[in-house]
Amino acid sequence: NAGVTQTPKFQVLKTGQSMTLQCAQDMNHEYMSWYRQDPGMGLRLIHYSVGAGITDQGEVPNGYNVSRSTTEDFPLRLLSAAPSQTSVYFCASSTRLAGIYNEQFFGPGTRLTVL
Amino acid sequence: AQKVTQAQTEISVVEKEDVTLDCVYETRDTTYYLFWYKQPPSGELVFLIRRNSFDEQNEISGRYSWNFQKSTSSFNFTITASQVVDSAVYFCALSEGGWGGSYIPTFGRGTSLIVHP
Repeated sequence: NAGVTQTPKFQVLKTGQSMTLQCAQDMNHEYMSWYRQDPGMGLRLIHYSVGAGITDQGEVPNGYNVSRSTTEDFPLRLLSAAPSQTSVYFCASSTRLAGIYNEQFFGPGTRLTVL
Repeated sequence: AQKVTQAQTEISVVEKEDVTLDCVYETRDTTYYLFWYKQPPSGELVFLIRRNSFDEQNEISGRYSWNFQKSTSSFNFTITASQVVDSAVYFCALSEGGWGGSYIPTFGRGTSLIVHP
């Protein structure tokens, strides 16, 4: 199992550019989520999905879009990059087994700089 | 709404000292889950423990122990005889599914632990 994979690992954008951060998992997890990590702010939830075709907003969704057409993939789109979106982005997946919610598995992160 | 507070922003200790990282949570749900993750300087997020709200047993794993107290809404993490390799940022997280919750965890801001040799 590859677990949760994220691409790219590093990205530099100019203000106004758009891009997609890719996230994939091979564990057949129904839950997937995107967080951003900024110094002193912990991990803040951007968007999440509880299954294919179902997405919802988290704490800081503005400027980002997501879709979940398959169980495996959960891409995060930056519509028009702004310097405030400079951050480290983590994708995670998780599942419930026998009614118990289990821990999240995290990807390695994408370090994004917007100039 | 669910909330996690890690009041200690940074803790500095000398090797072999014991250290406790505090985590206080808020939830309206009766069924919820608490987690601790470790983020070493390399940046990956490493799962340490999950605790269910219906299981208040404390847990010990080697030098690590966790104290879950529903009466004070706390889930504290103690490292005994700390080592330099324990230097990392530690996150506490809360997951709830009732009241229309999604189970997606909310994280605290993290505590940076620095262990000096």
